[in-house]
Amino acid sequence: GNSVTQMEGPVTLSEEAFLTINCTYTATGYPSLFWYVQYPGEGLQLLLKATKADDKGSNKGFEATYRKETTSFHLEKGSVQVSDSAVYFCALSETDDYKLSFGAGTTVTVRA
Amino acid sequence: EAQVTQNPRYLITVTGKKLTVTCSQNMNHEYMSWYRQDPGLGLRQIYYSMNVEVTDKGDVPEGYKVSRKEKRNFPLILESPSPNQTSLYFCASRTGVLNTEAFFGQGTRLTVV
Repeated sequence: GNSVTQMEGPVTLSEEAFLTINCTYTATGYPSLFWYVQYPGEGLQLLLKATKADDKGSNKGFEATYRKETTSFHLEKGSVQVSDSAVYFCALSETDDYKLSFGAGTTVTVRA
Repeated sequence: EAQVTQNPRYLITVTGKKLTVTCSQNMNHEYMSWYRQDPGLGLRQIYYSMNVEVTDKGDVPEGYKVSRKEKRNFPLILESPSPNQTSLYFCASRTGVLNTEAFFGQGTRLTVV
């Protein structure tokens, strides 16, 4: 079956630091990959996605590249802000399935 | 505004007392689902629905029921809640097109004592 493994948290950073959250996956086919973000007290919202190998998703300064050879979709941001404090979830869905399979989530706290 | 609305946001109940968490979306989405979020486990799918009157079990369906009588609504029913169902619940909807974004409600924090 499908599974997503994320870097364990929590992660605490200072403002303007570089952020990386590792994500690797196991899938039977050619999945689409997503990063969702959950701000305190809110539901999840899509941060970025990539639907095929070597695609790069980007949004709000965050980037992630779909690496089929390493089955990875690591999230990066070059300079984080306090407002980036949230829980980040890596997720996948197979090309013929609507279901999203989520990683455990990584809590990120950015200090001023 | 496109949104998924869940109610209530917070609920404390006692073991065995039936409850319903409502979910409604205004985007005419075909696909709706329920997840529970537990620390260290991420989100796990409880039930999903491909369209009206079409529902199926997800990964953790035990102790839950759903119905889809109208396209916009997808209530989650706990007939006899137990303490191990204490969790944060999310409803989500997507279009019928694969690889599209899922929209989530704001969550329902359920505590069963």
